[in-house]
Amino acid sequence: DAEITQSPRHKITETGRQVTLACHQTWNHNNMFWYRQDLGHGLRLIHYSYGVHDTNKGEVSDGYSVSRSNTEDLPLTLESAASSQTSVYFCASSESIERPQHFGDGTRLSIL
Amino acid sequence: ELKVEQNPLFLSMQEGKNYTIYCNYSTTSDRLYWYRQDPGKSLESLFVLLSNGAVKQEGRLMASLDTKARLSTLHITAAVHDLSATYFCAGANTGNQFYFGTGTSLTVIP
Repeated sequence: DAEITQSPRHKITETGRQVTLACHQTWNHNNMFWYRQDLGHGLRLIHYSYGVHDTNKGEVSDGYSVSRSNTEDLPLTLESAASSQTSVYFCASSESIERPQHFGDGTRLSIL
Repeated sequence: ELKVEQNPLFLSMQEGKNYTIYCNYSTTSDRLYWYRQDPGKSLESLFVLLSNGAVKQEGRLMASLDTKARLSTLHITAAVHDLSATYFCAGANTGNQFYFGTGTSLTVIP
């Protein structure tokens, strides 16, 4: 069965470190998204991609970057981790904008 | 920026009762999505509404979209305990950015 997997599931790191969260999907979807989920804010879009070599900034993109070198993967990098980036991060993919997004299980990131 | 507001934020209801969750959005949105999230889990897609007047139903849940009123509703019929979860609506703007509401935490009491 096709799926979308995130790794790691949990991570603790220190402020100032570079952190990369992995997202891999086997749906062969062109569209991929990164969100962060914080209490009281719902989910907020960080970056998204509509295909290989395409990346776009979302609502809360400062301090984050993504790259899309193939269809399956969209890694999210925190260039210099800050405590304000402690959150649960979700990756999602979809066949098209008119189709629902499939979400990964999330990565819980704590920055101390 | 598209603002999406849900109400109520918290809902406690008895089994067998009906209730509606409201999702208002601030500017034109071509599409409206509903998701369910169980505690500590990922999000599960419920409905995708693509046009004014769209209505979709799955089991005890029915979603509708009124683009003129900038309103979507999620109606729960004869609630059962298994429906306890957090429900999110999300809209997409013309730039295809997605904006989520803060969620409605639903608890169904026996």
